[in-house]
Formats: sequence, structure tokens, C-alpha cells
Amino acid sequence: DIQMTQSPSTLSASVGDRVTITCRASQSISSRLAWYQQKPGKAPKLLIYQASSLESGVPSRFSGSGSGTEFTLTISSLQPDDFATYYCQQYNSYPWTFGQGTKVEIK
Amino acid sequence: QVTLRESGPALVKPTQTLTLTCTFSGFSLSTSGMCVSWVRQPPGKALEWLALIAWDDDKYYTTSLKTRLTISKDTSKNQVVLTMTNLDPVDTATYYCARTRDYFGSGIFLMDVWGQGTTVTVSS
Repeated sequence: DIQMTQSPSTLSASVGDRVTITCRASQSISSRLAWYQQKPGKAPKLLIYQASSLESGVPSRFSGSGSGTEFTLTISSLQPDDFATYYCQQYNSYPWTFGQGTKVEIK
Repeated sequence: QVTLRESGPALVKPTQTLTLTCTFSGFSLSTSGMCVSWVRQPPGKALEWLALIAWDDDKYYTTSLKTRLTISKDTSKNQVVLTMTNLDPVDTATYYCARTRDYFGSGIFLMDVWGQGTTVTVSS
């Protein structure tokens, strides 16, 4: 199975900050990576797919990059609604796997 | 509008079998490229993908639970059922179903619409 490792596990930031989250795959997954946002008590929400494609309706302050084994999710200017937990997920091969999550907290 | 709703028992005893039903609307599992996935999340922990069933009845499972999981579909009822045998307290989690579809017919399958989840507690 492909292991997905996110860093950091927790990130403290202020409104307006630029935030970057890293996700590493244990083997190459090409660009077959998605990012999800999850708020407490809610289902995950798809933000980005194919490493860098923005899902419809997602604000443009979210962006993704990378390929192979290393990927990043960037929030260009953190907004109050962005405080949440973010997960990466590979869909290159079954079984699909998620990272352990990165919680973005208010500094 | 696409919606999914999970249903099942809130409390299950250890060693019992769990049956969860995902009832959906706004899409059909008889449509090429359509699938439904199950994902779970133990309290305070990460998401774990469990299983997927496709329009053509292909099925995929997570490795660690493969022997305990069965996924099936009833296209006429717009339902997908996940059964998990031999429950243990570590299976306590919120279980989500999600529409999974082939984006742009490109062979890229993504979980794009999720249910609200159902919480299952395993305890004697």
C-alpha cells in the first residue's frame, strides 16, 4: 500500500498568512493526488485534484503543486473560514490512502 | 442535486456484524463512471478509505480490512451496503459514503460529494 505522510501535523497561523502544507507519498503517484478540507463534525470537502486542479467553487487562494512523491497545498492568504484540518489522498492505485491530516489553528 | 445519507446502528457489540446503508439521489450507479466509496474516521483521528463499488460491479477494499468487508449495490433502490464482520472497539468511528465519479471521462476517479456520516460505537 502507498503511505501518505503530511507535515506539519499542526500549524498555527494568523488571518492573512501564507500557509503551506506538504504531503509525501511512499512511491510515485504521478499527479494523482487530491486535497480535502474538513471542519469539526462535518464531512470532508474536495478542494484540489490532480495535484493542482481547483475543484469548482473553491476559492482561488487555494492552490496545489507537485508530482511524483512530493506535493504541497498552499493557501495564499488565510481566511477565518480556512481554519480546519486538511488531508491529502492518493488515487493512483488501490487501496486509496489518506495522509494523517494537518490541523490549521488560529495563532 | 446529489445527496447521500448513511444509515445503520449507532451501537454494536464486539464480534457482531455491522451493516451500513448509503442511500443516494441525484445520480445512478448504472451510469458508466459512477461509483460509491466508504470512508471512516475514528474519533479525533484521520480519514481511512475502506471500499469502493463501481457501476460495473468492480469492487476494491482497503488491505487491512479486506477479509472483514463486503460492499454491494442495489441499483434499483439507489443504495450501497457495506458490511463489516467481527466488530471490535477500534472500529468505533464515523462512517461516510461518498459519490465517486470519473472526472471528465479521464479515468480519474474522485470522491466529490459526501454524506453527513453516521457514528458507530462498538461496545459491550
